[in-house]
Amino acid sequence: EPEVTQTPSHQVTQMGQEVILRCVPISNHLYFYWYRQILGQKVEFLVSFYNNEISEKSEIFDDQFSVERPDGSNFTLKIRSTKLEDSAMYFCASSVLAGGNTGELFFGEGSRLTVL
Amino acid sequence: GNSVTQMEGPVTLSEEAFLTINCTYTATGYPSLFWYVQYPGEGLQLLLKATKADDKGSNKGFEATYRKETTSFHLEKGSVQVSDSAVYFCALRIQGAQKLVFGQGTRLTINP
Repeated sequence: EPEVTQTPSHQVTQMGQEVILRCVPISNHLYFYWYRQILGQKVEFLVSFYNNEISEKSEIFDDQFSVERPDGSNFTLKIRSTKLEDSAMYFCASSVLAGGNTGELFFGEGSRLTVL
Repeated sequence: GNSVTQMEGPVTLSEEAFLTINCTYTATGYPSLFWYVQYPGEGLQLLLKATKADDKGSNKGFEATYRKETTSFHLEKGSVQVSDSAVYFCALRIQGAQKLVFGQGTRLTINP
């Protein structure tokens, strides 16, 4: 069964360092998303991406964050200069249809980021 | 704003017990409602959904009914199994929006 894969599963980094989290969405999906969950808190939407551009983003997704689809398969989230409060589990998701059309989102297992 | 509030966890039950995980929401407009489940070591998976008031979503013995009058979407199962141990997330999406708004998740442990 096709699945969304994420790497790394866990990354530890120093404050101020750049981090890139990688995702391989399901191959025929068109819409891509990043969510995050700070420990003990809700899963929060960060950004959605379609047709090589951001289609929606939350207020969390500030200038420190960027997303890219560098080739036909990967979808990356870059955090330019990490802060302690960026420590969280980051989930990638993809869907065939736009979320607004109740297209089902398929999630990866998550990448745990720890900022020291 | 739009938000989802879930029953605080963790929840521990014995096998074959009846399960209810409460979920209430606040939304502008008419949301679609979802339950996602995350089994250990896996990503979030859609468990069931309902797109309008009074709809009942069901899957794998789980059910949830979209109650507009009480703004609720409680998850129920009549007889839980050890394999149901997971984290359960209630979520909503406003019509036309991309993003899902999640609750905080409820960890469920079923003991044999």
